[in-house]
Amino acid sequence: NFILTQPHSVSESPGKTITISCTRSSGSVADNSVQWYQQRPGSAPTIVIYEDDQRPSGVPDRFSGSIDSSSNSASLTISGLETEDEANYYCQSHDKSVWVFGGGTKLSVL
Amino acid sequence: QVQLEQSGAEVKKPGASVKVSCKASGYTFNDYYIQWVRQAPGQGLEWMGWINPNSGGTKYAQNFQGRVTMTRDTPTSTVYMELSRLKSDDTAMYYCARGRGVSYSIGDYWGQGALVTVSS
Repeated sequence: NFILTQPHSVSESPGKTITISCTRSSGSVADNSVQWYQQRPGSAPTIVIYEDDQRPSGVPDRFSGSIDSSSNSASLTISGLETEDEANYYCQSHDKSVWVFGGGTKLSVL
Repeated sequence: QVQLEQSGAEVKKPGASVKVSCKASGYTFNDYYIQWVRQAPGQGLEWMGWINPNSGGTKYAQNFQGRVTMTRDTPTSTVYMELSRLKSDDTAMYYCARGRGVSYSIGDYWGQGALVTVSS
């Protein structure tokens, strides 16, 4: 299976925009859908993006996802940062019915 | 509304087994796989495997082959994950998640988690 690599942490001020990357080690990022989960301390993960760029109902449109075949990576972008966005974010993909998670990115909103 | 209700915290000794339950409600039980994911303290998410509630078919992550068993009880819409020969590094929060979409790859609803502590 492939590996998904995320930055360990990112920080930004309220109102700004951040992008978290998720780079796939082998095979094409376009081959299998990418999901993004938000996990606040003490809580279960919740999905914020599915199938690369789809937003579940109830997730603010400040959250968006994309993939880039040239860098073989997926990205989660959060605009208009709010303090409540402070959390760990995990990308996840799959291969032959096996789930693969990135290592997670801690987002600090200072 | 879709809910996945997990069993409570457990404390086990090394070498013992633990069985965690996940009771589904608010949707047709047989239509979605249940995925199991664990998270050690301060660490990331680790996929353990899935069960197809319709057939009882399973797929386990290589790291857990031979130690994990996933089963279901259709009348009660409950799935179970049993992990045997516990070690201290099995101490973790264990989550179930509903899988939908292509290859049931989208974890759209998650249980609240069940904390398993392995300590002598």
